[in-house]
Amino acid sequence: EPEVTQTPSHQVTQMGQEVILRCVPISNHLYFYWYRQILGQKVEFLVSFYNNEISEKSEIFDDQFSVERPDGSNFTLKIRSTKLEDSAMYFCASCRDLNEKLFFGSGTQLSVL
Amino acid sequence: DQQVKQNSPSLSVQEGRISILNCDYTNSMFDYFLWYKKYPAEGPTFLISISSIKDKNEDGRFTVFLNKSAKHLSLHIVPSQPGDSAVYFCAASGDNAGNMLTFGGGTRLMVKP
Repeated sequence: EPEVTQTPSHQVTQMGQEVILRCVPISNHLYFYWYRQILGQKVEFLVSFYNNEISEKSEIFDDQFSVERPDGSNFTLKIRSTKLEDSAMYFCASCRDLNEKLFFGSGTQLSVL
Repeated sequence: DQQVKQNSPSLSVQEGRISILNCDYTNSMFDYFLWYKKYPAEGPTFLISISSIKDKNEDGRFTVFLNKSAKHLSLHIVPSQPGDSAVYFCAASGDNAGNMLTFGGGTRLMVKP
């Protein structure tokens, strides 16, 4: 079965540094998402992306965050200046249509020191 | 924000018996409900969903029941198998929000052989 691929699986960074989390959604999917799960907390929606623009974003997704689809296959989440509280598992997800199920990647564990 | 709640953090069941996982929600605008399963080091995997126009949806060993008046849904797994041991997340969306999901905190199911 096709998969959403995320790299790296683990990322350690210093507070204040920029990080880019990478995702390759399933190839015929059109809708892309980032979710995150802070340890011991719920999975939270961050942002959705369709047709090369953000369609929805949560309160978490402030101006330190940005997303991009730089080419036909990659979908990235950038955190401009990381904070300790950005430490979390970040999940990329995609779907072909809004009414179809979301496929999640295995996640990138981000640790901000 | 407790719009979707799973009050049981864990559940232990004997192989072959029924597993019942519960979920409550508070937002009346939710009209689509999903269950995801998550193994360690993997992303959530879609299991089954139900629209608010139905009160039951069945897929093999998995059945989801929705009680709109009580704002409650449950996932029944019968018969339970050791491979079902995972964390189960209830999620909801509504008001044409597509796959902008609000997740519950998860229930860890352990199925003992």
